Amino acid sequence: DIQMTQSPSSLSASVGDRVTITCQASQDIRNYLNWYQQKPGKAPKLLIYGAFNLETGVPSRFSGSGSGTDFTFTIISLQPEDIATYYCQQYDNFPQTFGQGTKLEIK
Amino acid sequence: EVQLLESGGGSEHPGGSLRLSCAASGLTFNNYAMSWVRQVPGKGLEWVSSINSGGSSTYYADSVKGRFTISRDNSRNTLYLQMNSLRAEDTALYYCAKVDKLTPLGKLDSWGQGTLVTVSS
Repeated sequence: DIQMTQSPSSLSASVGDRVTITCQASQDIRNYLNWYQQKPGKAPKLLIYGAFNLETGVPSRFSGSGSGTDFTFTIISLQPEDIATYYCQQYDNFPQTFGQGTKLEIK
Repeated sequence: EVQLLESGGGSEHPGGSLRLSCAASGLTFNNYAMSWVRQVPGKGLEWVSSINSGGSSTYYADSVKGRFTISRDNSRNTLYLQMNSLRAEDTALYYCAKVDKLTPLGKLDSWGQGTLVTVSS
């Protein structure tokens, strides 16, 4: 199985800050990586697919990059409504696997 | 707008069975693969199972293989998860999610709100 190692597990930042989360795959997954946002009590929401493609309707302050084994998710300017847990997910092969999540809090 | 509505969750004893359903609307259901993803409250996401658009190909996590069966009824726009031989570690919120294409490896672009399964003696 492909292991997804996400870091950090938690992060505290101020409104307006640039926030970066990384995700490392245990083997080459090309660009078959998605990023999801999950707010408390809500279902996950797709933000980024194919490593760097912004899902329709998602604000442009969110972005993704990387390929192969190393990926990055960035919020250019953190907003209060971005408080959530973020997950990466590989879909190169079964079983699809998620990172352990990054809980983002406002400082 | 795509809507996915899960049902069928509840409390069950170890060794028991439950059948989850996911009713889909706002989409041409038979054009999309579907998946089940679960989440232990307060923990991360775990992929459980996927099925292709026609229902002919199914995939399972090792943790549920041989106990859970995914299926779909495209005439009823409904996805199912038959859960047998339930274990305490199956306790979780179960989400159904739509895949963006016919085959199951893709982006999960719509999610239901989940149905809670509790397995306890």
